[in-house]
Amino acid sequence: DAGVIQSPRHEVTEMGQEVTLRCKPISGHDYLFWYRQTMMRGLELLIYFNNNVPIDDSGMPEDRFSAKMPNASFSTLKIQPSEPRDSAVYFCASSLAGVETQYFGPGTRLLVL
Amino acid sequence: AQTVTQSQPEMSVQEAETVTLSCTYDTSESDYYLFWYKQPPSRQMILVIRQEAYKQQNATENRFSVNFQKAAKSFSLKISDSQLGDAAMYFCAYRVWGNAGNMLTFGGGTRLMVKP
Repeated sequence: DAGVIQSPRHEVTEMGQEVTLRCKPISGHDYLFWYRQTMMRGLELLIYFNNNVPIDDSGMPEDRFSAKMPNASFSTLKIQPSEPRDSAVYFCASSLAGVETQYFGPGTRLLVL
Repeated sequence: AQTVTQSQPEMSVQEAETVTLSCTYDTSESDYYLFWYKQPPSRQMILVIRQEAYKQQNATENRFSVNFQKAAKSFSLKISDSQLGDAAMYFCAYRVWGNAGNMLTFGGGTRLMVKP
């Protein structure tokens, strides 16, 4: 049974470029979360969806960040334009209501030069 | 707001020995979940163990067990018979009961080194 899938695993880009991170949650899960991990701030929740609808995006740092979930099996996190301070590991996680545990993908390591 | 504190930035243990990682949290809620996640060098976040606050019995998963002290708001992780593969960052996390969309609040992590 496949876990949460993220792509790409690594991304190196230049400041000002658009970056799109992708996530496929575990089949049947109805919650999807985007987290960011940095040395300075640890793990932070950016946004989460329930049944494809964004519920809480209060963790999104600024308007340069946007997230979508067009269907139950796919979500994107976009940064436009990217900045060096966006360099981090971005995790996607999913969970099923009533099960309560969040399962994480392998993460995308983003480096903005 | 809930906070999770891991007071040990680094710990080391000899292979086959036992080590305990500490975690304390602050909450005004009475029902919640607590988790330990492991993050090896691959960066994958792997669930190690979870505890429901309403359960008095401490959770156990093979060599991993917790000491949950609700009154003290303490949730330590004990690793028995430590193995080289246990070397990783360990994160304690908290989540309010009920709404599966409630966010996880993570501690700052403890880096565990296992000496052969």
